Amino acid sequence: NAGVTQTPKFQVLKTGQSMTLQCAQDMNHEYMSWYRQDPGMGLRLIHYSVGAGITDQGEVPNGYNVSRSTTEDFPLRLLSAAPSQTSVYFCASSNPSGQGVNEQYFGPGTRLTVT
Amino acid sequence: GNSVTQMEGPVTLSEEAFLTINCTYTATGYPSLFWYVQYPGEGLQLLLKATKADDKGSNKGFEATYRKETTSFHLEKGSVQVSDSAVYFCALTNQAGTALIFGKGTTLSVSS
Repeated sequence: NAGVTQTPKFQVLKTGQSMTLQCAQDMNHEYMSWYRQDPGMGLRLIHYSVGAGITDQGEVPNGYNVSRSTTEDFPLRLLSAAPSQTSVYFCASSNPSGQGVNEQYFGPGTRLTVT
Repeated sequence: GNSVTQMEGPVTLSEEAFLTINCTYTATGYPSLFWYVQYPGEGLQLLLKATKADDKGSNKGFEATYRKETTSFHLEKGSVQVSDSAVYFCALTNQAGTALIFGKGTTLSVSS
């Protein structure tokens, strides 16, 4: 199993450009999430999905779009990049347990710089 | 909504010292609690978890006990090693039970 994969590993964008961060998992997990990690801020939830066709906003959703057409894939779209979106982005997947989300498995991250 | 607060770092220790990283939470209901570790340049790995009050999670010599009365989940290790140098994150399930909420992370540096 590859687990959770993310591409690209690194990306530099100019302000106003758009791009899609890719995330895929091969563990047949129902839940998938996107987080951003910034110094001193920990990980903050951007969007999450509890199954194909179902997505919802997290703590910091502005400027990002998601969709989930298959169980395996959960891409994150930046429609018009801004310097404030410079960050490291992590995708995670998990299955629900009796008490909600079970342990999450994380991808290796995408380091994005917006100039 | 649910939230978590963990002690700020950095924490600097000598090899074989005792480690405590404090974590407290605010939650509706009975969330699951987690500690994740991030080694330099890598993603997050689950270190341990606990799913109900008084549960003790343990792994690689690290332990944490789910204390409902003090709403805490402190991470401890009796004798740290240089290889334990990393960032440690406390986390809990969000109110809907659909994702995790993370603390800001505590950087641990262990010197020989």
